Amino acid sequence: DAGITQSPRYKITETGRQVTLMCHQTWSHSYMFWYRQDLGHGLRLIYYSAAADITDKGEVPDGYVVSRSKTENFPLTLESATRSQTSVYFCASRGVRTEAFFGQGTRLTVV
Amino acid sequence: KNEVEQSPQNLTAQEGEFITINCSYSVGISALHWLQQHPGGGIVSLFMLSSGKKKHGRLIATINIQEKHSSLHITASHPRDSAVYICAARTNTDKLIFGTGTRLQVFP
Repeated sequence: DAGITQSPRYKITETGRQVTLMCHQTWSHSYMFWYRQDLGHGLRLIYYSAAADITDKGEVPDGYVVSRSKTENFPLTLESATRSQTSVYFCASRGVRTEAFFGQGTRLTVV
Repeated sequence: KNEVEQSPQNLTAQEGEFITINCSYSVGISALHWLQQHPGGGIVSLFMLSSGKKKHGRLIATINIQEKHSSLHITASHPRDSAVYICAARTNTDKLIFGTGTRLQVFP
């Protein structure tokens, strides 16, 4: 199916563990983004990528790592999860002049 | 001061009412996005506009570039319109800066 999908939809993990959130899009969009959504802050950009093998930091990148070896995939890794990383994470993609399309979100709880 | 501000933060309406949500921004933009998020749900793009006005069904979005202001209007509101509406400014460096959203509840 065409679209953008995130997995898992829900994840509970322990402090200190490594967690990877997956994002896959089928449009071959150049741009992909990871945001976190927290009450009172709206959506904040963690990392973005303008093309395969090109990534750049957003507003809140600390504690996160991304990679983009293939255009369609943009995984987000929490190297050592902390409670402050409990959030809802959204992946998005867009073409050069298109609107942005968002995944369904991943609700991550760090205990 | 946030670079993208929305008002009101919360809005309640009776079914059938005309609704307006406002968005002001202080950065240079190439486009302005309006998004919709239902409770517990994903985020859906409603509009992307860089000038003038766009209409889709009962939804209308306008933008005034000189005043750095955009509005989202919903005509003949319905309970299924209840959601959080988010505006986002696409900057000239291609980043999206989001407002904190307007929570709309429409009662029958």
